[in-house]
Amino acid sequence: DQQVKQNSPSLSVQEGRISILNCDYTNSMFDYFLWYKKYPAEGPTFLISISSIKDKNEDGRFTVFLNKSAKHLSLHIVPSQPGDSAVYFCAATQSPGNQFYFGTGTSLTVIP
Amino acid sequence: DTEVTQTPKHLVMGMTNKKSLKCEQHMGHRAMYWYKQKAKKPPELMFVYSYEKLSINESVPSRFSPECPNSSLLNLHLHALQPEDSALYLCASSQVTGGDEQYFGPGTRLTVT
Repeated sequence: DQQVKQNSPSLSVQEGRISILNCDYTNSMFDYFLWYKKYPAEGPTFLISISSIKDKNEDGRFTVFLNKSAKHLSLHIVPSQPGDSAVYFCAATQSPGNQFYFGTGTSLTVIP
Repeated sequence: DTEVTQTPKHLVMGMTNKKSLKCEQHMGHRAMYWYKQKAKKPPELMFVYSYEKLSINESVPSRFSPECPNSSLLNLHLHALQPEDSALYLCASSQVTGGDEQYFGPGTRLTVT
């Protein structure tokens, strides 16, 4: 049973515009959420995280929003750049603990 | 040093071979992980080591045998694999405290012939 879901397998966005990637989860015990970016033939790279005590976390062009009541989080990239083209995975975990549950990924293409 | 290294980058092995994948980190992390990733799928957790002890084994077949010789090293010993075991094998590490981000290595691309 997939506890973390990314319902959009792919997304295309024009350079300079906003990219919004969505993620839903089912386990209300999750309290820490992360986004990873993955290029082909490379391991995932940590991008940004958010704890359940917050509803927003911002780091440069990347902002993650958490809506606990809806069990939904999103990653906003503004402005989008061609180098952002990659697969984005969201992940969730229940603290304390080390097991991460990954979503199925969204492939983002930023068109120059 | 915020890097997790994995060797080899690519590995081709026959079904009767024995080989090992290696992972190393020098960030002082006390939790280390093996994941398996098939194309267009999320990473699937295989094993978790916490303070050099196996804490999670996600019902992985015994043809995969993990080993954590010390806090910086993690091995995955492979024996009698099947073609369907071909995948990208990712190593990751994190601080033991829950909720910390995991740092991933670049992976080993394994092909079983």
